[in-house]
Amino acid sequence: GDSVTQTEGLVTLTKGLPVMLNCTYQTTYSPFLFWYVQHLNEAPKLLLKSSTDNKRTEHQGFYATLHKSSSSFHLQKSSVQLSDSALYFCASYYNQGKLIFGQGTKLSIKP
Amino acid sequence: EAAVTQSPRNKVTVTGGNVTLSCRQTNSHNYMYWYRQDTGHGLRLIHYSYGAGNLQIGDVPDGYKATRTTQEDFFLLLELASPSQTSLYFCASSDARDWGYEQYFGPGTRLTVL
Repeated sequence: GDSVTQTEGLVTLTKGLPVMLNCTYQTTYSPFLFWYVQHLNEAPKLLLKSSTDNKRTEHQGFYATLHKSSSSFHLQKSSVQLSDSALYFCASYYNQGKLIFGQGTKLSIKP
Repeated sequence: EAAVTQSPRNKVTVTGGNVTLSCRQTNSHNYMYWYRQDTGHGLRLIHYSYGAGNLQIGDVPDGYKATRTTQEDFFLLLELASPSQTSLYFCASSDARDWGYEQYFGPGTRLTVL
């Protein structure tokens, strides 16, 4: 069945280092992929989205490329900041207006 | 920007109690959703609706009812609350005309069932 897998539950990094959060998906439909970010005590907000194969999409210093050949949509940033500490969800369009979410990756940035 | 509001923001009830969580969106979106968020499980869909009077069952519907009274308002009902329903609940909305059904989330309701 359709699914979204995020392999890391917690990623801890020092400020200024690069990060990659993994996301792979299985979908019956042509893929629409999203990354949502949720800061502490806030609602999830859209960070990135894509449906175009092999095209990099960027927002607020984060970027991701949808690779249909490997069913992946990994989130990257070249230099993390303290303010990037948050919960990150990968999601895929499912059907009938629904999204299916991964379990989320908590990103914790240390000074 | 899309606006989704939820009330109450926090709720404490006892086992067996009745709880109604409210959600309103002011963006004329046709789809509305109720999720619960628990550590290790991410966001799980309880119920959703594509218009007033419509209700669709989500992935974790047991113990929950929902009703969409208008285009703007979507309610989640727990008629016999249990401690397993202690969670953070999010409402969201989307427009079928939007690319990929991008969802806009409300601020959440934290529910504690004692």
